[in-house]
Amino acid sequence: DAGVIQSPRHEVTEMGQEVTLRCKPISGHDYLFWYRQTMMRGLELLIYFNNNVPIDDSGMPEDRFSAKMPNASFSTLKIQPSEPRDSAVYFCASSLSAGGYGYTFGSGTRLTVV
Amino acid sequence: KQEVTQIPAALSVPEGENLVLNCSFTDSAIYNLQWFRQDPGKGLTSLLLIQSSQREQTSGRLNASLDKSSGRSTLYIAASQPGDSATYLCAVKEEGNNNDMRFGAGTRLTVKP
Repeated sequence: DAGVIQSPRHEVTEMGQEVTLRCKPISGHDYLFWYRQTMMRGLELLIYFNNNVPIDDSGMPEDRFSAKMPNASFSTLKIQPSEPRDSAVYFCASSLSAGGYGYTFGSGTRLTVV
Repeated sequence: KQEVTQIPAALSVPEGENLVLNCSFTDSAIYNLQWFRQDPGKGLTSLLLIQSSQREQTSGRLNASLDKSSGRSTLYIAASQPGDSATYLCAVKEEGNNNDMRFGAGTRLTVKP
């Protein structure tokens, strides 16, 4: 298995532009998570899905952020419009269960908004 | 709100030393605690997961302990190697909360040859 695949690895965009981050979870994993990591705030859960359904999006910072999971093998995190304070590393992770076993992270997308 | 703290923030040791990384959490009503490793520019890799009913878990040179009542966990690394250099994060999953894992800020470990 190739693991959790995220694209792009790096994204540099101008303030106000739309940014779309992509994630392919491990096949058979029922849970998908989006995290954001910054020096100031560490690793924060933004949203997670169970069987393609958003369960908890309380970590999404603002309405500018949205996430979708149209099928079991693909999810997107969109920021529109982007702002410099959105600069961070965004991780996608998937797992078999809610208990934390088999938690697998992707390599992340480093987003820089200038 | 659960707060997870890791001390120290950074640690540098010579190769071969045994070392302990600390993690504390404010709310003892946890479901499990997990230790992760993060290499620069990479995602997190799960090392050990301890259920709330367990006291410790071992994998190779790694041993993680959990004292739920005092809100503490330690990660013991025996005979450290330069390849152990990474950031180590602990994460707590709370009881009754669907799936929010609270992460500590991590301890950046450097093992010098």
